[in-house]
Amino acid sequence: GIQVEQSPPDLILQEGANSTLRCNFSDSVNNLQWFHQNPWGQLINLFYIPSGTKQNGRLSATTVATERYSLLYISSSQTTDSGVYFCAVETSGSRLTFGEGTQLTVNP
Amino acid sequence: DSGVTQTPKHLITATGQRVTLRCSPRSGDLSVYWYQQSLDQGLQFLIQYYNGEERAKGNILERFSAQQFPDLHSELNLSSLELGDSALYFCASSVSRGLHTQYFGPGTRLTVL
Repeated sequence: GIQVEQSPPDLILQEGANSTLRCNFSDSVNNLQWFHQNPWGQLINLFYIPSGTKQNGRLSATTVATERYSLLYISSSQTTDSGVYFCAVETSGSRLTFGEGTQLTVNP
Repeated sequence: DSGVTQTPKHLITATGQRVTLRCSPRSGDLSVYWYQQSLDQGLQFLIQYYNGEERAKGNILERFSAQQFPDLHSELNLSSLELGDSALYFCASSVSRGLHTQYFGPGTRLTVL
């Protein structure tokens, strides 16, 4: 099956800093989503981005499908950005395959 | 709020027992997916239903079963529970099959003692 690798596994930032999270995948995908899992366990949709670039406030994402990677940018980070960020891909019209996630900690 | 609801939020039970987790998809969504998140396995796809029919199966144990009812809500049944079944179980829904955003519910945290 498809492999999804996220880096870095852990990231510690000071409030206000910027960061880039990366997701590499091993095969062509139909769907790619970024999620934020908050400390209460909720999985929050950030982006549906099988290709191209999208922005939502301080967050933006870029997927280069031909090179099989996606990037999530967080600017001016806040403590509420803390949590785990997951990349997930879908190849066959159904299941999402998740990466291991990036654990982000933003300190005040 | 994703629009996907799951009940109960928390469930504590004993080994050998059977439990049922319930999911209501977003209004208009026909596909329902179940995922399991455990410390050692990460987030894994279990099973998908589309408009009442099973469409795809992942790493779902034989002790687990699911169904989607005519009103499109879904139930995941877990039986002969083991300690290792303790996990966060998510339901997600989407408009159709693939090529659409999957929206996740808040999850049911299952603890097997």
